[in-house]
Amino acid sequence: DAGVTQSPTHLIKTRGQQVTLRCSPKSGHDTVSWYQQALGQGPQFIFQYYEEEERQRGNFPDRFSGHQFPNYSSELNVNALLLGDSALYLCASSPQTRNNEKLFFGSGTQLSVL
Amino acid sequence: EDQVTQSPEALRLQEGESSSLNCSYTVSGLRGLFWYRQDPGKGPEFLFTLYSAGEEKEKERLKATLTKKESFLHITAPKPEDSATYLCAVRRNYGQNFVFGPGTRLSVLP
Repeated sequence: DAGVTQSPTHLIKTRGQQVTLRCSPKSGHDTVSWYQQALGQGPQFIFQYYEEEERQRGNFPDRFSGHQFPNYSSELNVNALLLGDSALYLCASSPQTRNNEKLFFGSGTQLSVL
Repeated sequence: EDQVTQSPEALRLQEGESSSLNCSYTVSGLRGLFWYRQDPGKGPEFLFTLYSAGEEKEKERLKATLTKKESFLHITAPKPEDSATYLCAVRRNYGQNFVFGPGTRLSVLP
């Protein structure tokens, strides 16, 4: 059973560019959340998708947008990249049941903005 | 605003030397407190969920406890393979997101 898979694993971009990160959730999971983890910090919530809609959003600007597809996979898009966007971007999946709240994380995409 | 702090920031132990990690939290309506382990270059891996003060959970050399304001992760007789960053997170009632602390970086020396 494959866990959460993310692609690419590493990415280098320059300021002002746009980037798309991809995530396939664990089998049986229908909810996908995205987190940003700066070096030496804990993950910060960006947003969550369920039933192809953004269900909750953290304190991130509109440059960060996402999408969820009918097969539950998800994309994170970041426009007009800033140096401060350099971080590990983590995708986490979970089933939509109240009694199972564990997040299953992928290994992340390491984004470097030069 | 929900807030999670962790101490110490880093901890070096000799193999077999037991210790505790602290997680202090402020949240409006706690649904659950979560502990995760993160190895370098990987995503966090779930360890425990605690829901109410006084609750305890154990897994191998790890034991997590919860009070109304903080949680402790006790590590008994650690081994080098326990070296990792340990993250604490809270989730509030009626919210979808987890608020993570900055983590404690644990190194266990042989």
